[in-house]
Amino acid sequence: EVQLVESGGGLVQPGRSMKLSCAASGFTFSSFAMAWVRQAPTKGLEWVASISYDGGNTYYRDSVKGRFTISRDNAKSSLYLQMDSLRSEDTSTYYCAKVDWEPFFDYWGQGVMVTVSS
Amino acid sequence: IQLTQSPSLLSASVGDRVTLSCKGSQNINNYLAWYQQKLGEAPKLLIYKTNSLQTGIPSRFSGSGSGTDYTLTISSLHSEDLATYYCYQYNNGFTFGSGTKLEIK
Repeated sequence: EVQLVESGGGLVQPGRSMKLSCAASGFTFSSFAMAWVRQAPTKGLEWVASISYDGGNTYYRDSVKGRFTISRDNAKSSLYLQMDSLRSEDTSTYYCAKVDWEPFFDYWGQGVMVTVSS
Repeated sequence: IQLTQSPSLLSASVGDRVTLSCKGSQNINNYLAWYQQKLGEAPKLLIYKTNSLQTGIPSRFSGSGSGTDYTLTISSLHSEDLATYYCYQYNNGFTFGSGTKLEIK
């Protein structure tokens, strides 16, 4: 059974940093791309970043380029999102998602809330 | 590519046939998926590549479409289908629609 468990969320002040983690199990982690998708309170879904199976390629939405860094550790079956220079508009639930062989998301974690506020 | 979902809110009765629409600002080339999100839960993949049913999803869900226009159909609405439904395109970038909230009358 595929399981994705996020951690690391909470309350952070604007301009500060936070790192999210996602522990994966139930599939061969090193064979699949992974992604982060977020959802602001009462809003829709928004793709944030993706990383290839080997970490060699990363992709970001424009609004987080230069501030967020997606990474992975295949030995630990873990995905990360380093978020720097956080803004109030980054306040969201962040979901870790497994990417299928085509770039859609077939499994999702339960999500972790990040609140950016002073 | 921007995705426009309609209607934004749909109220239907158990047993109804329900159709949700998703329209792209450009050709999506069938690279379209549908997700179901129940209140307080993570999204769940229903359909990918326009009409491929994800494993474990009931056959009352189906997808169709081409070009810029796509549809999710629930052939006979069940009470547990109460949720918000999002379309998602992966033909050019990665974009979600704004969602259709499905209410049960």
